[in-house]
Amino acid sequence: SVLTQPPSVSVAPGETARITCGADNIGNENVHWYQQKPGQAPVLVVYDDSDRPSGIPERFSGSNSGNMATLTITRVEAGDEADYYCQVWDTRSDPNYVFGPGTTVTVL
Amino acid sequence: QVQLVQSGSEVKKPGASVRVSCKTSGYIFTDYQIHWVRQAPGEGLEWMGWINPKSGDTNYAEKFRGRVTVTRDTSINTVYMDLSSLHSDDTAVYYCAKEGGHNKDYFDPWGLGTQVTVSS
Repeated sequence: SVLTQPPSVSVAPGETARITCGADNIGNENVHWYQQKPGQAPVLVVYDDSDRPSGIPERFSGSNSGNMATLTITRVEAGDEADYYCQVWDTRSDPNYVFGPGTTVTVL
Repeated sequence: QVQLVQSGSEVKKPGASVRVSCKTSGYIFTDYQIHWVRQAPGEGLEWMGWINPKSGDTNYAEKFRGRVTVTRDTSINTVYMDLSSLHSDDTAVYYCAKEGGHNKDYFDPWGLGTQVTVSS
């Protein structure tokens, strides 16, 4: 799988950010999302398309259909400013675990 | 709680090898794979390989096969990643990460990362 993400998304505080992750028939895969703040390790924010790990705010949600998966962040806060990466597992590719190139979310 | 504690920064010369360790706690070590992911400066995440701590089985990305070896010591719940024949573009932060769940293909949590710098 080759995953595509927009390089950047800008959003005002309180608004909604949508980060896309595209690939052929990605809707047939489980998509996972990580948040990475500068100088920190990635943190899982959504797994299996739309599930949230414990401790992740409900403001983070995911969907996946067709050729696009989406991470949605509602009521965006300054602390959401980070890089976001999508990831899938594809046994047909090498490496099997594939990350998108990442999207930088800037809170205006 | 689950913790992955990685070894400290390393500076190596081209052609040398490096070992990064990942000491785990807070769960049954042999129940979950440990993965290695690296991130070059200003770049994205790149998966390198995994180990099954119970069996010792490993799987590596083709890009690293022949240069990377992942091992474990079950007596101290620690995984090691050895990377040989280092060159400058191996300069990166190397993360270990735990399999997110049984037979799950996501990573949670991650170690804090180990900076490896390759420079003459």
